[in-house]
Amino acid sequence: AQTVTQSQPEMSVQEAETVTLSCTYDTSESNYYLFWYKQPPSRQMILVIRQEAYKQQNATENRFSVNFQKAAKSFSLKISDSQLGDTAMYFCAFTMKTSYDKVIFGPGTSLSVIP
Amino acid sequence: DAMVIQNPRYQVTQFGKPVTLSCSQTLNHNVMYWYQQKSSQAPKLLFHYYDKDFNNEADTPDNFQSRRPNTSFCFLDIRSPGLGDAAMYLCATGGLWEETQYFGPGTRLLVL
Repeated sequence: AQTVTQSQPEMSVQEAETVTLSCTYDTSESNYYLFWYKQPPSRQMILVIRQEAYKQQNATENRFSVNFQKAAKSFSLKISDSQLGDTAMYFCAFTMKTSYDKVIFGPGTSLSVIP
Repeated sequence: DAMVIQNPRYQVTQFGKPVTLSCSQTLNHNVMYWYQQKSSQAPKLLFHYYDKDFNNEADTPDNFQSRRPNTSFCFLDIRSPGLGDAAMYLCATGGLWEETQYFGPGTRLLVL
């Protein structure tokens, strides 16, 4: 069975600084997808970034980038130039190829951006 | 804009009184999911529909039921809510062969 682990329950970062959130996962599959979802205090879950396992290039979305280490089964999220609006719970998630397969969420990391 | 809509955003019910939560989508996605999320925890999948094909998670209590009358709508019925069912309920959708799920804003359920 697939599992997702986030070892940092809470983190904080100064505004404009860079922070990295850790995620590790366990699977025997070779073709899968990884995600970082953000859930602000308003509670709507939104997709931050996604990575396809067969792609070696790390995904990037503006200030958000990932460090995907497939052999190590590691998928960390780097937030550059942190903004107050980045304060949220961040969930690392795993799924197989199709949406018919369920998403496995990690326990989450609560990030606070400090002015 | 295409989206996932949940109504109501807040629902208060009494212990044991049936309650129905609603989800609709304009994305025309084949798959719809219901999650339960308790404070500071990850969402927990209750069940999902692939079109009209219902898939229940093994540990979802019988107290939770779902209906999907058409592609756009999906309902979560809690037959006899207990205090432990107070949570945020999230609806999500996904397209066929699309790995990303799109979430609604959630319905916060309070059981008195």
